Amino acid sequence: QSALTQPPSAAGSPGQSVTISCTGASSDFGDKKYVSWYQQYPGKAPKLMIYEVNKRPSGVPDRFSGSKSDNTASLTVSGLQAEDEADYYCSSYTGNDFWVFGGGTKLTVL
Amino acid sequence: EVQVVESGGGLVQPGGSLRLSCAASGFTLTDNYINWVRQAPGKGPEWVSVIYTTGTTYYADSLRDRFTISRDKSKNTVFLQMNRLRVEDTAVYYCARGVNRAFDTWGQGALVTVSS
Repeated sequence: QSALTQPPSAAGSPGQSVTISCTGASSDFGDKKYVSWYQQYPGKAPKLMIYEVNKRPSGVPDRFSGSKSDNTASLTVSGLQAEDEADYYCSSYTGNDFWVFGGGTKLTVL
Repeated sequence: EVQVVESGGGLVQPGGSLRLSCAASGFTLTDNYINWVRQAPGKGPEWVSVIYTTGTTYYADSLRDRFTISRDKSKNTVFLQMNRLRVEDTAVYYCARGVNRAFDTWGQGALVTVSS
């Protein structure tokens, strides 16, 4: 399996909304519901932001939301804040005891 | 507090071996599965291996012949034995707890540098 495809960069002004896409083959999305998203600051470990396409772990602001249509998953960050500036990675469980990740999107808050 | 802590990273020559450890606390390996995920400099993460609560293991196709995941339940610790290391194996190696087919708890990472 090859990596999922994400745009290398995205940007928005404070208060705006930004959507990051994550595209793959149908085989990358296996059971279709096991898409997750991670936030990573430089030099730090990734942090789980979204799991099972659109569920948020405890403590993650509701400004973060996820969705999926066919072979494209999306992460939307609403009401952008300066602290949202980070790298974001999508991941999918393929259903064959194998996971794939996207190449990452650098989100800039203008 | 749920936590995983990696250790064992370092500098190794091409062809050498290294064993990473992942000590888990706040949960047991019989209740949750553990993954190894690596991230090369400037790249996205790459899934490496998983050990399920049953002890069953799986690997990324390109690594199964050189990497071995194992665990010591008495120490609540997971290991990643890496053999015949290559320059392209240089990365930060993270262990991460798996929940709902996602990685909900990550360690701080162990840097592995393969260089002569």
